[in-house]
Order: sequence, then C-alpha cells, then structure tokens
Amino acid sequence: NAGVTQTPKFQVLKTGQSMTLQCAQDMNHNSMYWYRQDPGMGLRLIYYSASEGTTDKGEVPNGYNVSRLNKREFSLRLESAAPSQTSVYFCASTWTGGGMNTEAFFGQGTRLTVV
Amino acid sequence: GEDVEQSLFLSVREGDSSVINCTYTDSSSTYLYWYKQEPGAGLQLLTYIFSNMDMKQDQRLTVLLNKKDKHLSLRIADTQTGDSAIYFCAESRDDMRFGAGTRLTVKP
Repeated sequence: NAGVTQTPKFQVLKTGQSMTLQCAQDMNHNSMYWYRQDPGMGLRLIYYSASEGTTDKGEVPNGYNVSRLNKREFSLRLESAAPSQTSVYFCASTWTGGGMNTEAFFGQGTRLTVV
Repeated sequence: GEDVEQSLFLSVREGDSSVINCTYTDSSSTYLYWYKQEPGAGLQLLTYIFSNMDMKQDQRLTVLLNKKDKHLSLRIADTQTGDSAIYFCAESRDDMRFGAGTRLTVKP
C-alpha cells in the first residue's frame, strides 16, 4: 500500500498563477484533510472532507478551493496564488467513526513557493 | 488564536526525561493525539489517549491527561538524540486540529 500520495513535491508559482495539488489515499479512509505548515504556526487546517461528496472549511480556507473527487482523491486548488500562500502543504486521511479519528496518515508534503 | 497550544521549543540532555505540554479548548474531544515530525517528512502518530483516561504508558512514552484543566502532556523517558523532532498535540472533533508543535532538541 502506498498510503497517502501527494503531488507535486515542489512547486514554484508566480503571483496570480493557478495550480491544483493532488492527493490520493488507498486505505479506504472516509476523512481527508488539507493542512498548511508555516514556521511557528504548526499545522493549520485549510479544508476537510468527512466523506465523499462533502467538504467543510477549516481555519484558513480563504484563497483555496477543494474537490473530493471520489473516496480516494481530495484535491486543493489555488485559483490565484499569492506570496502569503508560500508554505508546505500536507494532505492527510483517517477513518472517522463513533466520535473517533483513527491514526491520521500524512503525505510527504508539497513545498510551494509563490514569487 | 489556536485551539491547541504548545510551547515551541524544548531542549534536554541525552538520557534525561522530556516533558512536552499542551492545552486544548474543546472539552468534547474524544481522543487526543501526539504526532512526531522528523525533518522533511510528514507527521507520524506516536500515541493517543481516550478522553476518559488519565494516563497511558507505552514503553518510554507516558501521556497524562487532565480533562478538568484541558491539559495534555507527553513524557519521554531516557531521551535519545533520535527523539529530536517536532512533536504535535492534536484534538479530534469532526476535523483534527493541531498545535503549533514543540521542537525537541536533544543534546549529547
């Protein structure tokens, strides 16, 4: 099993460009998440999806959109990149049920620089 | 402000115990977690505790939960240089919220 796979690993964008970060998991998890990690701020939740067909905003959703394409895939789109979106982005997935999230599995991260 | 708070840095000597503290805000959180992040990698689950427990021990790791004060701690006994990493506390609700992470540095 590959676990959680994120692409790309690195990306440089110019201000105003758009891009989509891809994430796929093969563990049959129902919940998927997108986080950004900035120095001294830990992981901040951008969006999450508790099940196929549903998405919800997290702490810092502005400037992002997401699509839960199917149970396996959860993509994050930047429509018009800004330097403030320079960060490391992590996708994660868990099985959620009975009030519990099981262990969250994380992708290796996407290091995005917006110039 | 963050829902989950941690101090940002901790430095200990090899062989000493490390204690990383965390406070959280949502009393309805059913499970609380500790994750470890090594440089250039994603997070990996270290341990978790159910909210009706006070303590959980797993080899060198001891988790203490004070539900009244919404305080969680992770104690690492006999800390080794390989324990140097960033440690994240997380609470579980519909989503998962993480603290800022505590960077543990272990000096030989």
